[in-house]
Amino acid sequence: GDSVTQMEGPVTLSEEAFLTINCTYTATGYPSLFWYVQYPGEGLQLLLKATKADDKGSNKGFEATYRKETTSFHLEKGSVQVSDSAVYFCALRRSQGNLIFGKGTKLSVKP
Amino acid sequence: DADVTQTPRNRITKTGKRIMLECSQTKGHDRMYWYRQDPGLGLRLIYYSFDVKDINKGEISDGYSVSRQAQAKFSLSLESAIPNQTALYFCATSDSGIGFVVGDTQYFGPGTRLTVL
Repeated sequence: GDSVTQMEGPVTLSEEAFLTINCTYTATGYPSLFWYVQYPGEGLQLLLKATKADDKGSNKGFEATYRKETTSFHLEKGSVQVSDSAVYFCALRRSQGNLIFGKGTKLSVKP
Repeated sequence: DADVTQTPRNRITKTGKRIMLECSQTKGHDRMYWYRQDPGLGLRLIYYSFDVKDINKGEISDGYSVSRQAQAKFSLSLESAIPNQTALYFCATSDSGIGFVVGDTQYFGPGTRLTVL
């Protein structure tokens, strides 16, 4: 069945470091792909999305490119800030409309 | 005001008790979802509803039931709570219109932290 695998955390970086969080998926067809972010004590918020192969989603300095050939949607940011500390979830949208989430990656950014 | 609200925000209950978690939305969306979040397991879908007359089981529906009282309200019930239902519960909504609109976004409530003793 459909599934999402993302790198396990926690990930600890210094401010202004480069961030990569890997995400790969298994699905039939070409699902839409998402990155959600959960700040401490809050619900999930959409960070970015991509709906077809080679699409690049971007928001708040974060980017992810839909790679059909490697079934991947890795999240990147060139220079992280302390305020980026959160849990990041990769997800795919099934044909029925509901989302399948990865297990989440906790990011801590130190000043 | 928040678009998706959940009540209560925190609840402690005992094994065997019936409990209801409520979700309301002002986004006018047709679709609503209930997820639970457990450490290291991500979010897992419990139930989802595409409109008032449409209710579907998710991957972990055993021990739960739902009611879609109106377009804006979707309640999750635990008929007889057990300790392994201790988790963070999220309601979400989305608007996909007619058919399947590729790339629709889900909007999440703030969550309900449930502890079953």
